[in-house]
Amino acid sequence: DTGVSQDPRHKITKRGQNVTFRCDPISEHNRLYWYRQTLGQGPEFLTYFQNEAQLEKSRLLSDRFSAERPKGSFSTLEIQRTEQGDSAMYLCGTKGGAYAYEQYFGPGTRLTVT
Amino acid sequence: GQNIDQPTEMTATEGAIVQINCTYQTSGFNGLFWYQQHAGEAPTFLSYNVLDGLEEKGRFSSFLSRSKGYSYLLLKELQMKDSASYLCAYMDSNYQLIWGAGTKLIIKP
Repeated sequence: DTGVSQDPRHKITKRGQNVTFRCDPISEHNRLYWYRQTLGQGPEFLTYFQNEAQLEKSRLLSDRFSAERPKGSFSTLEIQRTEQGDSAMYLCGTKGGAYAYEQYFGPGTRLTVT
Repeated sequence: GQNIDQPTEMTATEGAIVQINCTYQTSGFNGLFWYQQHAGEAPTFLSYNVLDGLEEKGRFSSFLSRSKGYSYLLLKELQMKDSASYLCAYMDSNYQLIWGAGTKLIIKP
């Protein structure tokens, strides 16, 4: 257990539905990252927060994706109008600041869109 | 740009030694990471190199050559539980992690 939790662990949804995932970081970690990982690939960066500020979003993040970290603690990632191509593992990583090197990952949320 | 490569799959024997190579090209560099990922689980941190040379940590060692854009992870005295994917990632000038696709390591008895 790294201290980073994600909920739910698994989500099956039908195409066109909206889904929301949650990440609870290690409490003193102010940087929080969202990644997407498909089978046989490394994680792909989606977005990150420094406290409550969303500082960068990948070009991979279409308008259907939105992320928030309202109080600089937990974060949510919402996907609207899901598509089959959204099926993947969604990972949350956190670290103690820009210059902290080790990133700790939650167990991930596996999304299956049918 | 972002370019990082590692072999897709490797096979080794229990008790043996295996070296997993990683090459990268980047204009900004703030260190090289190795993570272990078992199937269906999140990556777990193994090592971090920011200076050239070898870092040893128990059965695992990691090497970096910045001038060659090259790193390797060395696993000694392989155990069946070492069967996993090993992800190489560099930290770019914005302190973001850029990941390779991972090397699936299969350990045979």
